[in-house]
Amino acid sequence: GENVEQHPSTLSVQEGDSAVIKCTYSDSASNYFPWYKQELGKRPQLIIDIRSNVGEKKDQRIAVTLNKTAKHFSLHITETQPEDSAVYFCLASGWGSNYQLIWGAGTKLIIKP
Amino acid sequence: DGGITQSPKYLFRKEGQNVTLSCEQNLNHDAMYWYRQDPGQGLRLIYYSQIVNDFQKGDIAEGYSVSREKKESFPLTVTSAQKNPTAFYLCASSLADNEQFFGPGTRLTVL
Repeated sequence: GENVEQHPSTLSVQEGDSAVIKCTYSDSASNYFPWYKQELGKRPQLIIDIRSNVGEKKDQRIAVTLNKTAKHFSLHITETQPEDSAVYFCLASGWGSNYQLIWGAGTKLIIKP
Repeated sequence: DGGITQSPKYLFRKEGQNVTLSCEQNLNHDAMYWYRQDPGQGLRLIYYSQIVNDFQKGDIAEGYSVSREKKESFPLTVTSAQKNPTAFYLCASSLADNEQFFGPGTRLTVL
């Protein structure tokens, strides 16, 4: 079946450094790629998203890049801060013969002071 | 005050009982979703509905049932056929294929 591979599963970076999380998807019908942040004990919240007709999107310290040919998209966080510590999930969705919605397994981001 | 709500926050179930988790939204979203999250794990799709009176099974639908009689409501029943239901349950809603807004979740524990 279709799947999304998310790497790494855990990422530890020094405060102020950059963090990159990558997702690779298999369903060529996927055309919407959001990233969600989930803090401990809380609900996931959207931090940034991108659609298949765009290669890159940026919002302050957060950016997402999409390579449709290679079927991967990445989350980039620059100048990391303690409040960036959380679990990040990627999602690939879209309409093929039916609607597909496939989540990555998550990346635990740890910001070291 | 627009949003998506879930109740109860905590729920305890005895073996063999069916329980129903509530999910309500006033965001005028067509699509609604139910997810299960186990400790330290990701989101697994149970059921989703893209329109009233229609819903589809997700990856782990066995032992669960849903209904979508109203646009605002998407209740989830955890039946006695679900052998290991202890988990954190999240409901979400969205406009078509767009950002999902999540409720605060229900923690279900089997006694």
